[in-house]
Amino acid sequence: KQEVTQIPAALSVPEGENLVLNCSFTDSAIYNLQWFRQDPGKGLTSLLLIQSSQREQTSGRLNASLDKSSGRSTLYIAASQPGDSATYLCAVTLIFAGGTSYGKLTFGQGTILTVHP
Amino acid sequence: EAGVVQSPRYKIIEKKQPVAFWCNPISGHNTLYWYRQNLGQGPELLIRYENEEAVDDSQLPKDRFSAERLKGVDSTLKIQPAELGDSAVYLCASSLVLAGNNEQFFGPGTRLTVL
Repeated sequence: KQEVTQIPAALSVPEGENLVLNCSFTDSAIYNLQWFRQDPGKGLTSLLLIQSSQREQTSGRLNASLDKSSGRSTLYIAASQPGDSATYLCAVTLIFAGGTSYGKLTFGQGTILTVHP
Repeated sequence: EAGVVQSPRYKIIEKKQPVAFWCNPISGHNTLYWYRQNLGQGPELLIRYENEEAVDDSQLPKDRFSAERLKGVDSTLKIQPAELGDSAVYLCASSLVLAGNNEQFFGPGTRLTVL
């Protein structure tokens, strides 16, 4: 059974700092990995998707890396801003023997990020 | 382009009452998912549809939960009767499954409180 763990559970930083959120998964047979942001009382916003054949993806101040063999992914946020405060979730989908996606996302519990001015 | 639409956004009911949630996926997306998110946890899949077919409902509590996706577009998730432990956020997501991509997009969710 795939298990996803996120460390730390909560993080508080001053504005302007660069920070790293960690995600680990137990089964390396993944199809892809997705990072999401969730604001309080809201749904999930997709930030980055990394295919299993890729090593990283970048979007603006966000950079996500993937090391499938070690079962790890990191989300790097550069020059953090108060507007980045939210819960960040990573999720993986497993791969079928035929190479297609199983479809189901398995989520970690999230990292609650607070960026204070 | 409109995102995933869900209604209602909030629902408060007494235990043993029925409740239904509605989801309209992103236009053209063939796969639809219902997830449940308990407080402080990541979402967990309840059921996945490919077009009209439920291809994974292994985690759906079938004694009280039911779902349908008529015509392969909108979907409804029902709970009857609701229990206190069903209080959670119910999230709908959709994706267009293409070779090499299965990016899922989520709606705002329905927050259910069972009293």
